[in-house]
Amino acid sequence: AQKITQTQPGMFVQEKEAVTLDCTYDTSDQSYGLFWYKQPSSGEMIFLIYQGSYDEQNATEGRYSLNFQKARKSANLVISASQLGDSAMYFCAMREGLTGNQFYFGTGTSLTVIP
Amino acid sequence: DAGVTQSPTHLIKTRGQQVTLRCSPKSGHDTVSWYQQALGQGPQFIFQYYEEEERQRGNFPDRFSGHQFPNYSSELNVNALLLGDSALYLCASSFGTGSSPDTQYFGPGTRLTVL
Repeated sequence: AQKITQTQPGMFVQEKEAVTLDCTYDTSDQSYGLFWYKQPSSGEMIFLIYQGSYDEQNATEGRYSLNFQKARKSANLVISASQLGDSAMYFCAMREGLTGNQFYFGTGTSLTVIP
Repeated sequence: DAGVTQSPTHLIKTRGQQVTLRCSPKSGHDTVSWYQQALGQGPQFIFQYYEEEERQRGNFPDRFSGHQFPNYSSELNVNALLLGDSALYLCASSFGTGSSPDTQYFGPGTRLTVL
């Protein structure tokens, strides 16, 4: 089974609108970390936001927030007030355990912001 | 604050050749992980180095090997190159002494093309 599933290959959003990118995960560990990364066409993976499995509140970082629903094993990324520069690939990732080692990535969602 | 750097940016090799990719971690980081990202896919974990030793390995053959130096920089070596090794190779660094969230920060990648 896939550890991380991103079911939206491509998404479009109007500039200044909000958009939600879906991510579900599969783990039997009680401790894990969830991450979102942005990958522009240049290739570099840019860290956006982190949610720990024991965090009771949803993580927020500026225009990014993570809608964490533990029982449903989902960790959706919400981008508010979309900007043209947000057009990129977005990857959800998980690390089993709270520290160290392997990250599992999804297949990504391509976001296009329309002026 | 220097981020993760990788060299070279691009590389073209022929089948059967050997290649060495290099990575310098973000300042203050002591752990380096390598990932392979095929076109249209998410990154796949190759291995992680900490204290100059391979700490964990993903599902990659022995043709993929690595090394970490005392200054925490790292090399990824791939022997007997196959066409399927063509990909973007990403290096990620983190502070690996067990402090959560242990976020991995990525470099710009090396794009390897095998002809």
